[in-house]
Amino acid sequence: GDSVTQMEGPVTLSEEAFLTINCTYTATGYPSLFWYVQYPGEGLQLLLKATKADDKGSNKGFEATYRKETTSFHLEKGSVQVSDSAVYFCALMGGYQKVTFGIGTKLQVIP
Amino acid sequence: DADVTQTPRNRITKTGKRIMLECSQTKGHDRMYWYRQDPGLGLRLIYYSFDVKDINKGEISDGYSVSRQAQAKFSLSLESAIPNQTALYFCATRGDGLYGYTFGSGTRLTVV
Repeated sequence: GDSVTQMEGPVTLSEEAFLTINCTYTATGYPSLFWYVQYPGEGLQLLLKATKADDKGSNKGFEATYRKETTSFHLEKGSVQVSDSAVYFCALMGGYQKVTFGIGTKLQVIP
Repeated sequence: DADVTQTPRNRITKTGKRIMLECSQTKGHDRMYWYRQDPGLGLRLIYYSFDVKDINKGEISDGYSVSRQAQAKFSLSLESAIPNQTALYFCATRGDGLYGYTFGSGTRLTVV
């Protein structure tokens, strides 16, 4: 079946550092890929998505590129802020629009 | 008002009690979902519904039931709560196609 792999963390960075959160997937066919963010005490919010190979999703300074050859969708941001502290979930939508989530990566940004 | 509203936000209940978690949405979508979040396990799908007459089990439906009272309302019931059902529960909705979910703020359930 489909699966999404990401590290649980926590990832701890200083403010203004560069962020990369790795996400790799296994799926048949050509899934769509998503990143969601969960701030403390809240539900998940869609951050960005990409629906085909080489697409780049971007939002709020975050970006991720759909790499079919490496089955990856790594999340990046050039300069993180304390307000980016949250849990980040990678997800894929495969056949029959079934969605599979990763376990979530906790990001802590310290001033 | 929030697009997806869950009630209650927090609930403590005793083992063996029946409890209902409610969800309503204003997005006008047909598809609604219930997920459970546990540390180290991410989100797991409990039940989903593609319309009022179409309800399907997810990967962890045992011990749960659902009711789709209207397009906008989808409730989750624990018939006889047990401690390992202590978790954060999320309701979500989305449109048909390659769209992301809109989630509610969650219900934190503790079974003692």
